[in-house]
Amino acid sequence: DAGITQSPRHKVTETGTPVTLRCHQTENHRYMYWYRQDPGHGLRLIHYSYGVKDTDKGEVSDGYSVSRSKTEDFLLTLESATSSQTSVYFCAISESQSGYGYTFGSGTRLTVV
Amino acid sequence: AQSVTQLGSHVSVSEGALVLLRCNYSSSVPPYLFWYVQYPNQGLQLLLKYTSAATLVKGINGFEAEFKKSETSFHLTKPSAHMSDAAEYFCAVSPNQAGTALIFGKGTTLSVSS
Repeated sequence: DAGITQSPRHKVTETGTPVTLRCHQTENHRYMYWYRQDPGHGLRLIHYSYGVKDTDKGEVSDGYSVSRSKTEDFLLTLESATSSQTSVYFCAISESQSGYGYTFGSGTRLTVV
Repeated sequence: AQSVTQLGSHVSVSEGALVLLRCNYSSSVPPYLFWYVQYPNQGLQLLLKYTSAATLVKGINGFEAEFKKSETSFHLTKPSAHMSDAAEYFCAVSPNQAGTALIFGKGTTLSVSS
């Protein structure tokens, strides 16, 4: 989607290695989110950010950390990748927490072997 | 805790038939409600949203949804399905409370046959 990009789009990594996914926005939105999508589970919130250096945990935060050192970038790190973290990861942005809805990136397909 | 339930993980319709995708929510405060669509290998796109104005909400591509507080429902409909409507659809709720994020249902895959 225009205004939000995720990188890389695809990645294969080995168990036990650290992995960082990047979300970049050009909309100057305050709120940024990381979700993972798995069959039968829909989208589940990993972490979110409500400003520079302000982050909080979501439903499935174990094994993940995030950082936001500037408004436009929100990084998701898998500290030591496991096969259970094989998933599609989506970043989203919003102007507010509620009524505006989210704009999603195109996703990162991560495979941990 | 807030939650969203989408009834039916897979719905199949014929081209030209009515599309009905069901969503029920639970929320302790008046919610904001959303429907998103995901085409293969793409991100999610906002179809429509309810933010406590009109209870019948019209969205893109001919879809609409009706907020029914008494039934805690927000079902998505389209009078006549097109082949291009085949996708996965997600209902989401935002409880309109500080420190919360959208909660998504598990999704419904819509198949359209000719």
